[in-house]
Amino acid sequence: ETGVTQTPRHLVMGMTNKKSLKCEQHLGHNAMYWYKQSAKKPLELMFVYNFKEQTENNSVPSRFSPECPNSSHLFLHLHTLQPEDSALYLCASSLGLAGTYEQYFGPGTRLTVT
Amino acid sequence: AQSVSQHNHHVILSEAASLELGCNYSYGGTVNLFWYVQYPGQHLQLLLKYFSGDPLVKGIKGFEAEFIKSKFSFNLRKPSVQWSDTAEYFCAVNVGSGGGNKLTFGTGTQLKVEL
Repeated sequence: ETGVTQTPRHLVMGMTNKKSLKCEQHLGHNAMYWYKQSAKKPLELMFVYNFKEQTENNSVPSRFSPECPNSSHLFLHLHTLQPEDSALYLCASSLGLAGTYEQYFGPGTRLTVT
Repeated sequence: AQSVSQHNHHVILSEAASLELGCNYSYGGTVNLFWYVQYPGQHLQLLLKYFSGDPLVKGIKGFEAEFIKSKFSFNLRKPSVQWSDTAEYFCAVNVGSGGGNKLTFGTGTQLKVEL
């Protein structure tokens, strides 16, 4: 596997469920990101991790809980979501946090909350 | 906080036509600028980027973009589009110095190239 992978690719969950999204990067990068892409809205940065430490939480509701056990893996734990949380969730990674580093994106997880 | 505007949401062109997609950002300091592309069924991938130096940057597949600081713009161009350029194009910006790699994206422009 190369690049950034995400599982599952599609997820349907009820508002009372708990589920997790997984992201893995095979690029030797140190920084990882979660973005949310809603219909007709720009990609929104949610969380940033660098060397496993969270460096940014963009005012994300606590029903989204990220976890970064190592520089290669990033999780997004979901619980008691709302229908408006339905969106495409993208993971990305970069070599570091310098603004000149390119971010490499995964294919995304299409989440539907019913 | 910075913001990015892409004024063309949908563009339809015939093959061989010239392309220009607009991108304006709002931030008065140093910025890094990017164009990403998402082909149907594929990941977002980098098309080109500008950090400093020559304001005319060239990317993959014949694309180029020009940074005009006075206009806060970073428009994407291609002299002659191909059917395979059908995709969604995103402009993005991050703050240049010490701002971390926090990208702010525009809403995207869906380009359809007809044969």
